[in-house]
Amino acid sequence: AQSVTQPDIHITVSEGASLELRCNYSYGATPYLFWYVQSPGQGLQLLLKYFSGDTLVQGIKGFEAEFKRSQSSFNLRKPSVHWSDAAEYFCAVGPLTGNNRKLIWGLGTSLAVNP
Amino acid sequence: GAGVSQSPSNKVTEKGKDVELRCDPISGHTALYWYRQSLGQGLEFLIYFQGNSAPDKSGLPSDRFSAERTGGSVSTLTIQRTQQEDSAVYLCASSGDRGNTEAFFGQGTRLTVV
Repeated sequence: AQSVTQPDIHITVSEGASLELRCNYSYGATPYLFWYVQSPGQGLQLLLKYFSGDTLVQGIKGFEAEFKRSQSSFNLRKPSVHWSDAAEYFCAVGPLTGNNRKLIWGLGTSLAVNP
Repeated sequence: GAGVSQSPSNKVTEKGKDVELRCDPISGHTALYWYRQSLGQGLEFLIYFQGNSAPDKSGLPSDRFSAERTGGSVSTLTIQRTQQEDSAVYLCASSGDRGNTEAFFGQGTRLTVV
């Protein structure tokens, strides 16, 4: 079955610390991978995406993610967290090809940032 | 339009009433999704439209929920005989039909059933 797992429901880090949010997926074909962020009271915004090429992708707001096919993972990282990064983060996968573009979503990881 | 537009942004309704939520996707986007997000929760998939194909309704929680997409553009999500547990933010997203494209989300409609 197709699924996305974000093992960490809630993470708290100190401002300036590094961050890694985990995402593991189960998908029948090579997927198209996304990370979205939802700030409090805001809509979902795309942070970055991966579909081919370099397995380390750069996104907005200083985020990056690495696709590891052997581990079926697409973990999100940031070297130094800012207080404004406190938000909900969602990982999603979708098909690279075909007419059905339905996305599969993780349940999200809530990030709190201590001053 | 420039982005996905949802209306109304907020809706308060009495239990038992019907409500209609509207989504205007980005022009030219063939895929349209409806999700529900309860307070502090993740995205609950409701329904997915892709071009002229039959919609994927597998996420609709009950037969009180229905959605249509007219002319491959605007979509309306209808909830009949609303219940308090229907209170949530309803999110709409759209995406193009080519590869390497992402879903663009609207700001959502916050539905409160009193």
